Amino acid sequence: ETVLTQSPATLSLSPGERAALSCRASQSISSYLAWYQQKPGQAPRLLIYDASNRATGIPARFSGSGSGTDFTLTISSLEPEDFAVYYCQQRSNWPWTFGQGTKVEIK
Amino acid sequence: QVQLQESGPGLVKPSETLSLTCTVSGGSVSGYYWSWIRQPPGKGLEWIGYIYYSGSTNYNPSLESRVTISVDTSKNQFSLRLSSVTAADTAVYYCARRTPGGNLDFWGQGTLVTVSS
Repeated sequence: ETVLTQSPATLSLSPGERAALSCRASQSISSYLAWYQQKPGQAPRLLIYDASNRATGIPARFSGSGSGTDFTLTISSLEPEDFAVYYCQQRSNWPWTFGQGTKVEIK
Repeated sequence: QVQLQESGPGLVKPSETLSLTCTVSGGSVSGYYWSWIRQPPGKGLEWIGYIYYSGSTNYNPSLESRVTISVDTSKNQFSLRLSSVTAADTAVYYCARRTPGGNLDFWGQGTLVTVSS
């Protein structure tokens, strides 16, 4: 099973700051990585697919990069609604797996 | 806009079978893949499996011996059955649409299923 390790576990930032979230795969997954945002009591929402493609309706401040085993989700300038938990997910090897999440909290 | 809604018992006894249904509205189950994902309280996400509208399935090996996912195109629904449940199966269960690329673009709101006597 492909293990995804996200870091840091928690990121404390202020609105307007830049956030960089990391996701590392235990083996190469090419560019088959997605990012999701989850707010309390809500289902996850797809942000990025295939490492760098924004899903429909996702603001341009969200961007993804990386390939192979190392990936990054960047939020260029945090808005109040961006404080949430972010998960990465790989679709290279079945079973498709998720990382354990990074919580972006208000500093 | 596609909408999904999970339904089923919120409490299941240990060793019994968990059964959930996902009703799809605003679109058809035909032509798409449909998934079940779960999230234990305070923890991360686990992909249970998925089904194509034609009926072909793929299950997480960690659950394969206990899981059945089925689809009913006439009702625009798909379902999950998980047998021999234990407390470790307590989670919020989500249904979602899987894109051909393997991502999840539409989700239900989730339903908490507690396994307890």
